[in-house]
Amino acid sequence: SQTIHQWPATLVQPVGSPLSLECTVEGTSNPNLYWYRQAAGRGLQLLFYSVGIGQISSEVPQNLSASRPQDRQFILSSKKLLLSDSGFYLCAWDQGGETQYFGPGTRLLVL
Amino acid sequence: GDSVTQMEGPVTLSEEAFLTINCTYTATGYPSLFWYVQYPGEGLQLLLKATKADDKGSNKGFEATYRKETTSFHLEKGSVQVSDSAVYFCALSLSGGYQKVTFGTGTKLQVIP
Repeated sequence: SQTIHQWPATLVQPVGSPLSLECTVEGTSNPNLYWYRQAAGRGLQLLFYSVGIGQISSEVPQNLSASRPQDRQFILSSKKLLLSDSGFYLCAWDQGGETQYFGPGTRLLVL
Repeated sequence: GDSVTQMEGPVTLSEEAFLTINCTYTATGYPSLFWYVQYPGEGLQLLLKATKADDKGSNKGFEATYRKETTSFHLEKGSVQVSDSAVYFCALSLSGGYQKVTFGTGTKLQVIP
């Protein structure tokens, strides 16, 4: 069966520091991968998606970037965090079907 | 553009009460519709889905019917439990190379004993 992992689970970082969040999927190959952000009390905002290795599309302009160095690995990064980057970051995957499956999420607090 | 509108929360119910969470959508094509649930501190889990008009999705006592004429996908449960306390997201998906999923803002449900 397929599983999706995210780490770290929780992160507290100072403003201006770098960021790296990792997402990996097991049990499938060539998945579509997604990064979402959920701000406190709000819905989900799609940040990036990837349909293959090295293929990244950005949905909204922002302070973040994404990379897909391997088929089942998706990384969310920032060179300098802003206060507004705080939130709950969710990785998701699908296999070109209709349903996306989500990871457990990373809670980021920027101080 | 595509959008999903959910009723504002939080919704507070007593145990064994009837639940309805309203969801309406606008979409340019023929979307699939979903309800996801998010328990405190966790990611989203698929609760149920429907892929075409008049389909009924159901799971764990929850159900929702895809109503094309009213562009709605309301979530219902006949008797809620304390363990149902969570945030519920309505979503639509339109395929096109990748799955562009549009989420509602979520409705927080609190069930009290």
